[in-house]
Amino acid sequence: QSVLTQPPSVSAAPGQKVTISCSGSSSNVGNNDVSWYQQVPGTAPKLLIGDNNKRPSGIPDRFSASKSGTSATLGITGLQTGDEADYYCGTWDTILRAWVFGGGTKLTVL
Amino acid sequence: QITLKESGPTLVKPTQTLTLTCTFSGFSFSSFGGGVAWIRQPPGKALEWLALIYWDGDKRFSPSLKNRLTITKDTSKNQVVLTMTSMDPVDTATYYCARRDMAFDYWGQGTLVTVSS
Repeated sequence: QSVLTQPPSVSAAPGQKVTISCSGSSSNVGNNDVSWYQQVPGTAPKLLIGDNNKRPSGIPDRFSASKSGTSATLGITGLQTGDEADYYCGTWDTILRAWVFGGGTKLTVL
Repeated sequence: QITLKESGPTLVKPTQTLTLTCTFSGFSFSSFGGGVAWIRQPPGKALEWLALIYWDGDKRFSPSLKNRLTITKDTSKNQVVLTMTSMDPVDTATYYCARRDMAFDYWGQGTLVTVSS
């Protein structure tokens, strides 16, 4: 049972937009920066959106992140088949004093 | 170019101690204000953070595993070593090391560790 809650799966057609939610609490998402990671099956996770909503160089602006209260959202526009992957949110939990991740969301581009 | 690579045994027996080494390049603890972490992922499951050591030697551990974990760094060798005691089959996972700056911004390729007799 992950501290952060993500939908197990989302899907959309190529070219469309999809959002992935990450729900937490005031001890994690609500008061700490959230980062997002993409993991293509069989490979290591890759940072998509870092703290302060910054995209590392090489990550297209089709990927964006936002936060409201104790929920964070990853948005992906102009979906491509290459975006099919598992996506994880992560943040620091002030009460647990630990970095925590969501359970992951599998994105299918139909 | 920043790279990290994990090394260690692929198979350990129950009750044994696991020792993993993360060797990195492209940055150094002496010139970097962040840390290096260990994160694992059981087959088909989510990521789980284990431990982190900062450039100044400060350490953080997962509360649920802290009694089993040790993390050290060798600045001269650009290495971070994780030890986990009392290994159990449920500890079977891919173990990653990752650099922590404003996020876990660079990851190693991971090493699959199987716990089985």
